[in-house]
Formats: sequence, C-alpha cells, structure tokens
Amino acid sequence: DSGVTQTPKHLITATGQRVTLRCSPRSGDLSVYWYQQSLDQGLQFLIQYYNGEERAKGNILERFSAQQFPDLHSELNLSSLELGDSALYFCASSPPGATRANVLTFGAGSRLTVL
Amino acid sequence: AQSVTQLGSHVSVSEGALVLLRCNYSSSVPPYLFWYVQYPNQGLQLLLKYTSAATLVKGINGFEAEFKKSETSFHLTKPSAHMSDAAEYFCAVSDPGNQFYFGTGTSLTVIP
Repeated sequence: DSGVTQTPKHLITATGQRVTLRCSPRSGDLSVYWYQQSLDQGLQFLIQYYNGEERAKGNILERFSAQQFPDLHSELNLSSLELGDSALYFCASSPPGATRANVLTFGAGSRLTVL
Repeated sequence: AQSVTQLGSHVSVSEGALVLLRCNYSSSVPPYLFWYVQYPNQGLQLLLKYTSAATLVKGINGFEAEFKKSETSFHLTKPSAHMSDAAEYFCAVSDPGNQFYFGTGTSLTVIP
C-alpha cells in the first residue's frame, strides 16, 4: 500500500457520460498529480495541484477538469466521454517543498472503460 | 527543457541473465533522474533516484543505475534477472518546478 488511495478501481460507462475519479494523497503530501496511461500514448501528465491550487497543466482535454479540496483530496472529472478516453488514470502525490529530490508516490489507478 | 528517451520498448532476458534497460536524458539544468517500475495491474513504484550525489545509485530488488554525464545516460541494470522482475519500467526526469517527465516505458520479459 503506497498510501495514495484512488477510487473507484474500475469503472465502465458509456460514451457521452460523465465520471468522477477520486484521489486521497499520502498523509503529509500537499501535491497531487494526475496522469493518464493508455496503450498508444504511454503515461501522459494531465494536471498538478499544490495545496488546493492548480500548479501545472499538461495534456488535459477541455472536457476534463480537476480540483483539490481543503482536505487535500482531489477529484478528476471526465465529461462527454469518448471511446478514446478509456485508459488507466493515476494519481500521484509528493511531499511539500520545492525540492527536486521529491519523489512521486503513485496510487493503484482507476481503470476507465468507455463503451 | 527536460526529457528522457528509453531505448527499446520491449526487452527479453533469460532468468539469471543481466538486465540492462537504457535511458538517455536531456536537461537544461543538472538532472534529477528516477526509475519507476510498474507491475501488472498496479501503480508505479520508485526503484531508485539520482539527485547529484553518488553517480552509482542502488535501488530496491537488486537494481542499480549509473549516471553518466558524458553520455547523458542513466541506464538501469540488475546482474541476474528473476521471474518476478517482469514488469514495465519507466525512466523519468524532474525539472526545477517539480514536474516529472516520463519515458515511454520498457516492458521487461524474463524467460525461464
């Protein structure tokens, strides 16, 4: 157990629907990162939050949004789902401070299947 | 800008043989480098990291990596492969803003 909790583990839904993925970071970590992993595109960085504020944006579609709440858990919202959104979505957290030696601790992922 | 390139998307070795997974980096600042492993149906786990101290870094499960500035490389090795080493391996570099840039991954198969 890495200490990063992601729910749900598996999710099957239909095109056009909306889903929410949830992440609780490791205790004490302030940063939350979201990544998408698909077979054809590898591990793609989506977005990062630090202590409730957006810190960096990667290849996140406009149909996707995220936020980090005061208790530091984060949610990734995916709407108007398309078949191509089927992927593993990972959350990772890292400790406070700007040191580059900080490592990412990953959750087990949420597998989304869009039918 | 920072990036990493992993040479070889698939590597097969026999059990007991040397494991060598290649990673080359590009960085505009002294790099901080990481290797992560992903076992089937699991998240990524840190194997080891280089943060400008010793150039030879030892990680978990018998893996190690050597930072070579002249070759801009950070290859991952293990002297003797075990069946349990079969997994996907990712090299990554972080930037001063603590953003991580991952390679495309190398899938390691261990043949009994």
